[in-house]
Amino acid sequence: QVQLVESGGGLVKPGGSLRLSCAASGFTFSDYYMSWIRQAPGKGLEWVSYISGSGNTIYYADSVKGRFTISRDNAKNSLYLQMNSLRAEDTAVYYCVRDGGHSEDYWGQGTLVTVSS
Amino acid sequence: QSALTQPASVSGSPGQSITISCTGTSSDVGGYNYVSWYQQHPGKAPKLMIYEVSNRPSGVPDRFSGSKSGNTASLTISGLQAEDEADYYCSSYTSINSLAVFGTGTKVSVL
Repeated sequence: QVQLVESGGGLVKPGGSLRLSCAASGFTFSDYYMSWIRQAPGKGLEWVSYISGSGNTIYYADSVKGRFTISRDNAKNSLYLQMNSLRAEDTAVYYCVRDGGHSEDYWGQGTLVTVSS
Repeated sequence: QSALTQPASVSGSPGQSITISCTGTSSDVGGYNYVSWYQQHPGKAPKLMIYEVSNRPSGVPDRFSGSKSGNTASLTISGLQAEDEADYYCSSYTSINSLAVFGTGTKVSVL
């Protein structure tokens, strides 16, 4: 069965950095676009970034462009999100999500990132 | 890119039908048949309920149905059950940035 397990969240000071990881299993990882989607406490869902199966196509939300970098290692079935210059407004649960073709068909349990001094 | 507009809350009694609307523009909902709906229980990850406007993934009860007219998509829950109480989000592909955009979310309460 498809499993997505995020790790790497935690408490970080404003301006700091954090790297999220997502371990995927149960499907051919390289065949799928993958995304990071976040949800601030008590708020709605927000797309952060997505990456094609080969890694050649990448998109970012304007709110994170220039600060976040998405990447993947198909040999390790892993997705990453490098987050730099973190701000209080980046505080959220970050979900690793599989793109089933214009819909997000599997979601990880999420990892909480808290940006606070 | 503005979020798609959903009502903040919808409620109904067990067994009733409710409909949640999701209004966008011709650049997203109205322009493509790539509308999805997600259910999220408190403290849990979202779950895909409807994709490509009206298709249900395997395992989703047929009480859930989707449709679209112009720039507005809708999710209907028929025969409302207590376990349907959750937040629901729509999303649509958007040509503005080639990403997708989410709706503002609707809290469904079962009275």
